[in-house]
Amino acid sequence: QQKVQQSPESLSVPEGGMASFNCTSSDRNFQYFWWYRQHSGEGPKALMSIFSDGDKKEGRFTAHLNKASLHVSLHIRDSQPSDSALYFCAASTNSAGNKLTFGIGTRVLVRP
Amino acid sequence: GPKVLQIPSHQIIDMGQMVTLNCDPVSNHLYFYWYKQILGQQMEFLVNFYNGKVMEKSKLFKDQFSVERPDGSYFTLKIQPTALEDSAVYFCASSVTGGSNERLFFGHGTKLSVL
Repeated sequence: QQKVQQSPESLSVPEGGMASFNCTSSDRNFQYFWWYRQHSGEGPKALMSIFSDGDKKEGRFTAHLNKASLHVSLHIRDSQPSDSALYFCAASTNSAGNKLTFGIGTRVLVRP
Repeated sequence: GPKVLQIPSHQIIDMGQMVTLNCDPVSNHLYFYWYKQILGQQMEFLVNFYNGKVMEKSKLFKDQFSVERPDGSYFTLKIQPTALEDSAVYFCASSVTGGSNERLFFGHGTKLSVL
C-alpha cells in the first residue's frame, strides 16, 4: 500500500470554480506535508506547506491538515486555466535530509 | 525564481551502456536529490547528497547507481550498466539546508529511454 494516497485521480472544474482534492497518509511518522504542482514538461514546484492542524491560506490556495487522521486537502478558489496541472501531495518525517514521499497526483483541468 | 537545470532533457541509450545525467543545482543550495518517476506512477526518492557524501538512499538506488559532485561542476547520477527498468524520468532537486520544513526546487527532468 502506498504511504501517501491521493484522490481523486483527476477532476475538471469550470474557470472561476473551486477545485478540491485530498491526500491521506498511512505513516504516523510523517509530520510535514507539502503540495507540489507540476505543469506538463516541467518539474514539480512547491505550492505550499502545512505542518500544523487547521487551515493555511496563501492567496487563492487553502490547505487543511488533520493530524489525527493524517488527512490533508487543498482547495483552489477562483480556479484559472493556468491552474490546470498535476498536483502532488508530499510528506516527510522529522529526520534530516528532507526525504519526500510523494502521492501519485491529482490531475486538475480548469475549463475556460 | 531559483532554477535547477538538468542536461540533457532526453537521453536514449542501449541496455548495458553507461549513462550520466547532469544537474546544475541552485547556487547556494547545499543538499541535492535525485527522484525517479516512471510513467503513471508516483515520484520516488532515490538518494540525497550533502557535503560530498550520500546521506540516505532508497532501495531503488541499485549498486549500478552512483552520484557525485566534483568541485564546481554538475551533480551527476551515473548508471552503469543500464537496464530496461531504468527507463523513467529522473528529477534532480536541491534545497538550502535539507531541513524537513524546507521546500525542494526541482529541475525539468531528464527522460531516460533504455532500449
